[in-house]
Amino acid sequence: DAGITQSPRHKVTETGTPVTLRCHQTENHRYMYWYRQDPGHGLRLIHYSYGVKDTDKGEVSDGYSVSRSKTEDFLLTLESATSSQTSVYFCAISESQGSRAFFGQGTRLTVV
Amino acid sequence: DQQVKQNSPSLSVQEGRISILNCDYTNSMFDYFLWYKKYPAEGPTFLISISSIKDKNEDGRFTVFLNKSAKHLSLHIVPSQPGDSAVYFCAASAAGTASKLTFGTGTRLQVTL
Repeated sequence: DAGITQSPRHKVTETGTPVTLRCHQTENHRYMYWYRQDPGHGLRLIHYSYGVKDTDKGEVSDGYSVSRSKTEDFLLTLESATSSQTSVYFCAISESQGSRAFFGQGTRLTVV
Repeated sequence: DQQVKQNSPSLSVQEGRISILNCDYTNSMFDYFLWYKKYPAEGPTFLISISSIKDKNEDGRFTVFLNKSAKHLSLHIVPSQPGDSAVYFCAASAAGTASKLTFGTGTRLQVTL
């Protein structure tokens, strides 16, 4: 299994509070991604990174920001959590263009 | 606009029989296709992939077929086993897009005894 660790694994937070999810990899892969999984939608890309300090938006980026200050860490921040951001969040890594992505175990976030 | 579609939300197959999961796509720029398997409370795990230069790829019990003209791919599992019961996601990416994946909505496969 690829070395990907997501933390926390579960979190309950209140509407309007900021939340940060962390993804840590030990594979030294260049690309990192944040996806969310919701019923009826599959997995949708939130943000991705193609190198340290190089990030870009995905399909559902509104209300989210990311940072990547080190190769191994990719942080996802919900600036002011809303109930629509209740979801399961997956981090993924990929070594190069056209290579398979490996996924973390997921973080279940509930916004109340 | 759903660029990758899995029109069957669920599929039930008897153990030992063939499971066929289908996926359609609309974006002609997609050139790499993958299947992921997902168990509850776990992350998706890579199963098999195929490049657009091929029309078939096999790995043990799993075979993926790609029909570019129809923009259709399918995953065949032969023989199906109870441990194959999971949700299967089809995904696609395009060259030069940092391997960003576009996923289908998934098909839940139940393999019965």
